[in-house]
Amino acid sequence: GESVGLHLPTLSVQEGDNSIINCAYSNSASDYFIWYKQESGKGPQFIIDIRSNMDKRQGQRVTVLLNKTVKHLSLQIAATQPGDSAVYFCAENNNQGGKLIFGQGTELSVKP
Amino acid sequence: DAGVIQSPRHEVTEMGQEVTLRCKPISGHDYLFWYRQTMMRGLELLIYFNNNVPIDDSGMPEDRFSAKMPNASFSTLKIQPSEPRDSAVYFCASNQGARDGYTFGSGTRLTVV
Repeated sequence: GESVGLHLPTLSVQEGDNSIINCAYSNSASDYFIWYKQESGKGPQFIIDIRSNMDKRQGQRVTVLLNKTVKHLSLQIAATQPGDSAVYFCAENNNQGGKLIFGQGTELSVKP
Repeated sequence: DAGVIQSPRHEVTEMGQEVTLRCKPISGHDYLFWYRQTMMRGLELLIYFNNNVPIDDSGMPEDRFSAKMPNASFSTLKIQPSEPRDSAVYFCASNQGARDGYTFGSGTRLTVV
């Protein structure tokens, strides 16, 4: 029979609203984090990164927040647009060379 | 730069056949990664190279999988023999230095029937 796939968490927002996507990471030794956006049929696309010596970093319409105390990462998207609809992944480099470990992803759906 | 280039984009093969996936990293990038993406397991790191040398292959599922990087501009991931459970999207990524943003290719969608 068919295998059952992962059920991705889904966030549905209205166009123009702000979006917040959350991620819990696993390794307290991780010191580098990246958010990726993946649209259907495409590879993950780099959005923004942050190193563990920072707790906030801003890009164009995006902000990443890092809380090392509770091992939590969030991505904030301002004025969300339909083109922001995608699956968003957080990834951590757990201080083992170049190894990047991905979270399960969150599906963002933007309603016009 | 053309980015990370993978070929083929789609591959359909019969169980038992050999499959070879190809990747050209971004010029100047000294790390190359192979990932597999499935609905069941998400994005999994299979193996990565630094300066053409395999560093960590602990994610390679079994002996049927092998990867090579004969030079700085080319890598292959081979599955022999292929099985239906190998069906997935395989991504290649590269970066310059272990702590910089990783650039992904468009992936190869493999279907084993």
